Amino acid sequence: GAGVSQSPRYKVAKRGQDVALRCDPISGHVSLFWYQQALGQGPEFLTYFQNEAQLDKSGLPSDRFFAERPEGSVSTLKIQRTQQEDSAVYLCASSLDRGWEKLFFGSGTQLSVL
Amino acid sequence: AQTVTQSQPEMSVQEAETVTLSCTYDTSESNYYLFWYKQPPSRQMILVIRQEAYKQQNATENRFSVNFQKAAKSFSLKISDSQLGDTAMYFCAFMRAGSDMRFGAGTRLTVKP
Repeated sequence: GAGVSQSPRYKVAKRGQDVALRCDPISGHVSLFWYQQALGQGPEFLTYFQNEAQLDKSGLPSDRFFAERPEGSVSTLKIQRTQQEDSAVYLCASSLDRGWEKLFFGSGTQLSVL
Repeated sequence: AQTVTQSQPEMSVQEAETVTLSCTYDTSESNYYLFWYKQPPSRQMILVIRQEAYKQQNATENRFSVNFQKAAKSFSLKISDSQLGDTAMYFCAFMRAGSDMRFGAGTRLTVKP
């Protein structure tokens, strides 16, 4: 595609509900990153994939957060039993390689947990 | 661990004037990249400019330039001839080889007509 696509753009969940956020990276991009951006803050790293391999998940805040990229393209970030503190914008970014190429970001999914 | 500090939560500038946004970072690495990203209300992060740490020459992109002081670990962004469309959040970011990108807390820039 022309850019990184994320869906849904907005998601409202009741506390305790499971949610799944989708990221379609730019075609051919090897690297994919997930970031969490709380209101008024900078993005915080969650996890990184190189193709289908999840090479770094050190930023995932708890075991309720799970990410996958089974075929090395589309990625899904799943949050189980959502809590109010999970409310944030979740940004996805991709790059051609894990070198010094710039990251291309999507417009994010704004998650609100009530 | 690498940290990025942006000490100016908000800045404003008159249209056509020049403004400088500050950023400092902390690292023990010698090889890394620094970035400035712009985030308008659409939420999409847009790369403004990037700087390789091994390059002494400051990067420039049209009206945007940086003042990179490696010894001081400082990386400020200068926006010349400010335009209304420059109004946005600006994030400074640090990335070292084989690692993820780390962001500062951001500076909200308002360009006034």
